[in-house]
Amino acid sequence: EPEVTQTPSHQVTQMGQEVILRCVPISNHLYFYWYRQILGQKVEFLVSFYNNEISEKSEIFDDQFSVERPDGSNFTLKIRSTKLEDSAMYFCASSDPLPTIGYTFGSGTRLTVV
Amino acid sequence: RKEVEQDPGPFNVPEGATVAFNCTYSNSASQSFFWYRQDCRKEPKLLMSVYSSGNEDGRFTAQLNRASQYISLLIRDSKLSDSATYLCVVILPGGNQFYFGTGTSLTVIP
Repeated sequence: EPEVTQTPSHQVTQMGQEVILRCVPISNHLYFYWYRQILGQKVEFLVSFYNNEISEKSEIFDDQFSVERPDGSNFTLKIRSTKLEDSAMYFCASSDPLPTIGYTFGSGTRLTVV
Repeated sequence: RKEVEQDPGPFNVPEGATVAFNCTYSNSASQSFFWYRQDCRKEPKLLMSVYSSGNEDGRFTAQLNRASQYISLLIRDSKLSDSATYLCVVILPGGNQFYFGTGTSLTVIP
């Protein structure tokens, strides 16, 4: 079964540092997403990406965040100047072409900001 | 305003029991509905889509009630492996963003 792959599985970073979370979506999928889940809380939408541009973003996705598809396979989330409250699980997902049959999520990156 | 609301539980049921979860949504124009399952510290995994006519997959039955704006999930003959958090998900019209509920925790007890 096709998978969404995320690396690293766990990242520890110091407050104020920049991190890049990486994702390889399912190859024939066209829509890509980032979600986050703070421990004990619900899964929250960050951003969706289609045709090499952001199609939707939430209030959480401010100037601290950016996404990129640097080549034909990777999809990255960059968090600049990390804060303690950025500690969370970050899930990448993809869908084809629209999510009417549900997304496939990656296994997540646990980001810990210290 | 919360787009999706779920009873967080926890639900503790014996093996073999039948358990039902409900989820309400606020936007009457919501167009797609799903149940996802999430194990502790893992990613959400699609359990089933929810269709207007209702749908069944083995021991799992999902129903949509548009008039009352809720969806339900029924699990029959509960197994220990059903222990997880069940997430209700809604997509609003014109968008592709998932709105997640906070999840309902289920523990099946031997």
